[in-house]
Amino acid sequence: EDQVTQSPEALRLQEGESSSLNCSYTVSGLRGLFWYRQDPGKGPEFLFTLYSAGEEKEKERLKATLTKKESFLHITAPKPEDSATYLCAVQGGGSNYKLTFGKGTLLTVNP
Amino acid sequence: EPEVTQTPSHQVTQMGQEVILRCVPISNHLYFYWYRQILGQKVEFLVSFYNNEISEKSEIFDDQFSVERPDGSNFTLKIRSTKLEDSAMYFCARKPGSLSGNSPLHFGNGTRLTVT
Repeated sequence: EDQVTQSPEALRLQEGESSSLNCSYTVSGLRGLFWYRQDPGKGPEFLFTLYSAGEEKEKERLKATLTKKESFLHITAPKPEDSATYLCAVQGGGSNYKLTFGKGTLLTVNP
Repeated sequence: EPEVTQTPSHQVTQMGQEVILRCVPISNHLYFYWYRQILGQKVEFLVSFYNNEISEKSEIFDDQFSVERPDGSNFTLKIRSTKLEDSAMYFCARKPGSLSGNSPLHFGNGTRLTVT
């Protein structure tokens, strides 16, 4: 069974204070690892897809990296508007359809 | 702006009643998914629906649940005889590209279901 564990559960940063979120996973035949952002009362909003170890993707202040066991979401010089819950999900080789999500990291960026 | 519209945004129902949650894609797509998120817990897969048939379902998706696309546009999730533990956010999602591809899911903003 595919499993995703995210840490920390919550992270509080000052504006401009860079940090990283971790996503550890076990999956049978990784087909894709996905990062989503979720604001309160909203659906997950797609950020990145990573397919193989060593791959990196960047978007504004966010950078996602992938190894064979974990992924990191690096946040550089965050702003208050980056405050949200960040979700990690994997799609395993056993399914064309199912994503397995972690519980997420609640990020709060104080001005 | 989400690529699927879900209605209603909030549904309150009494235990034992039936509810229908609706999902309307902006453009015509064949692949749809329902997920749910109980407050404070993970987003969980319920069912995938392709070309008017269920493609895969989780152990959560028992006989209490059903999905259909009644008019070729709207995509519905029906929950019969709701229970307190069905209270959750229910998300509809679509998948662009080919069925077997690795393109990401795009989620709607969800329906908050409260069973009292």
